[in-house]
Amino acid sequence: NAGVMQNPRHLVRRRGQEARLRCSPMKGHSHVYWYRQLPEEGLKFMVYLQKENIIDESGMPKERFSAEFPKEGPSILRIQQVVRGDSAAYFCASSPFRFGKVNTGELFFGEGSRLTVL
Amino acid sequence: DAKTTQPNSMESNEEEPVHLPCNHSTISGTDYIHWYRQLPSQGPEYVIHGLTSNVNNRMASLAIAEDRKSSTLILHRATLRDAAVYYCILNDMRFGAGTRLTVKP
Repeated sequence: NAGVMQNPRHLVRRRGQEARLRCSPMKGHSHVYWYRQLPEEGLKFMVYLQKENIIDESGMPKERFSAEFPKEGPSILRIQQVVRGDSAAYFCASSPFRFGKVNTGELFFGEGSRLTVL
Repeated sequence: DAKTTQPNSMESNEEEPVHLPCNHSTISGTDYIHWYRQLPSQGPEYVIHGLTSNVNNRMASLAIAEDRKSSTLILHRATLRDAAVYYCILNDMRFGAGTRLTVKP
């Protein structure tokens, strides 16, 4: 069973361009979570999605950032008009049930996508 | 913001036990206590979780205080491969800065 797949692993963008990060959850998982990690810092929660629905986006910046998890295909984190401060590692995790609601106890993380903004 | 607090860093000697503390004084009755770790340049990985009783698995043990306001992750014999950032989180999915564990040979 393949793990959580994220691509691209590395992405370089110039200021003002758009970045699209993709996350394919583990088979059978319908819950996806996105986190951002700045250099030498901890993970910061961004958004939690369940197929076609945004459940919790309290960690998402109000502008330029959006996320989706369509019925078919991977989850996408989209950053418009990137700035240097967006340079970070973006991690996606998935779970078969809503984290914490059922005693599954485990989020499965991908290896991350590292965005560099020049 | 995360509802857990952990020391920024800890050191251990190889093959000695390590006790990593976590405070979660505002924990609710339905919150599980989860531990993850992040090895250098990798995504976080699950370590252990529990609700009220102490838990053991092949990686570690979790000791939960009776009032549930704190917990301790126990690595029984630290190895160099255990050097990582360890995160304690609750059901809100918020990670704090974690504890950076250094293991000395």
